[in-house]
Amino acid sequence: DGGITQSPKYLFRKEGQNVTLSCEQNLNHDAMYWYRQDPGQGLRLIYYSQIVNDFQKGDIAEGYSVSREKKESFPLTVTSAQKNPTAFYLCASSSPGGVQETQYFGPGTRLLVL
Amino acid sequence: DQQVKQNSPSLSVQEGRISILNCDYTNSMFDYFLWYKKYPAEGPTFLISISSIKDKNEDGRFTVFLNKSAKHLSLHIVPSQPGDSAVYFCAATSAGANSKLTFGKGITLSVRP
Repeated sequence: DGGITQSPKYLFRKEGQNVTLSCEQNLNHDAMYWYRQDPGQGLRLIYYSQIVNDFQKGDIAEGYSVSREKKESFPLTVTSAQKNPTAFYLCASSSPGGVQETQYFGPGTRLLVL
Repeated sequence: DQQVKQNSPSLSVQEGRISILNCDYTNSMFDYFLWYKKYPAEGPTFLISISSIKDKNEDGRFTVFLNKSAKHLSLHIVPSQPGDSAVYFCAATSAGANSKLTFGKGITLSVRP
């Protein structure tokens, strides 16, 4: 059945280390997104991609990088430049086709710093 | 500058009663609004949406009302059930937003048995 998968569920990062969060979807959606959620905060957009081989920065892109080599996959790398990486990371996808676009979310990855 | 505001961080209601969750927005370009429900350690799930050409949309126990002049929308849940206990996010977008959603900070709803 179709959906969005994120792995791993929990991820630990050491100081100065880059880590990559996986996001895969089999919904045949063109657009994919990465959000970060902190306690008591809404979802803040990190990066988004509307089509393969193209992506744009969101509101809090500093310290993160992405790639979109395949339609189904949109991995997020949390680099050592991100000084406060501990958060719950959510991937979403949608099928742009007009104004009314609903984003569907994966189960999330919790990143913790050791 | 917070464009989507959910000013009440929490709401507690008795099972069987109505839950009313409020959301305000400042960007007059927003023309499509969504509500998401989120359980702890899970991704948000889409609940209901409304286009700016409507003032009401209903889906079972869930109804969303939109007041464009006041830049205000609300989600009504009737009757409330314990399983409705979750965080509810309001989100908004516009035709020129490249499908980006702007989220509020969320409201934690607790439904007491």
